[in-house]
Amino acid sequence: DVKVTQSSRYLVKRTGEKVFLECVQDMDHENMFWYRQDPGLGLRLIYFSYDVKMKEKGDIPEGYSVSREKKERFSLILESASTNQTSMYLCASSLSIRLSYNEQFFGPGTRLTVL
Amino acid sequence: ILNVEQSPQSLHVQEGDSTNFTCSFPSSNFYALHWYRWETAKSPEALFVMTLNGDEKKKGRISATLNTKEGYSYLYIKGSQPEDSATYLCASAPPGGYQKVTFGTGTKLQVIP
Repeated sequence: DVKVTQSSRYLVKRTGEKVFLECVQDMDHENMFWYRQDPGLGLRLIYFSYDVKMKEKGDIPEGYSVSREKKERFSLILESASTNQTSMYLCASSLSIRLSYNEQFFGPGTRLTVL
Repeated sequence: ILNVEQSPQSLHVQEGDSTNFTCSFPSSNFYALHWYRWETAKSPEALFVMTLNGDEKKKGRISATLNTKEGYSYLYIKGSQPEDSATYLCASAPPGGYQKVTFGTGTKLQVIP
């Protein structure tokens, strides 16, 4: 059974803290994604990666960075957390960059609250 | 950024009713259309992916159609059941490499027993 796991379901941090959200997939997928989901705004792409050490900005990359040192792991980093980064964060992966009809497999999400 | 819109935002139906909702997307920059189901406290799961004008897909009581010329897709649920309660997301993928899909805001369906 395919699986995308995220390090935490719930996380509470303080303004200014550095926050790491970890995502691991066990499907040998090439592509990995980080989204945030806010009420009324749907899923918005923060960053994605199509290969180890490769990354591309999504639609809302400001205030975030990412790291992909191994194929199975994609980390989202909030360098200095702010209250407007309180959100649900979803990680996803998909098989291959060349086939844009590949479905994405999602993790369970991390609900981050920044106080 | 592609503008992918879904309507209605939310929907309440009685158990046994059939229902449908719409996803619209810019037809000028289109390659594939995805539908996902997102149940509360779970991860979004893929339902369908369609690429060709006139495509129709079916999974049990759920089906979807695609019109790429006018830029819309319909999702139909026949004989809704409480377990169909979820948010249904569509996502449009452009041509070319880099699978950067754009998601709509979803239609939240509540099936009342």
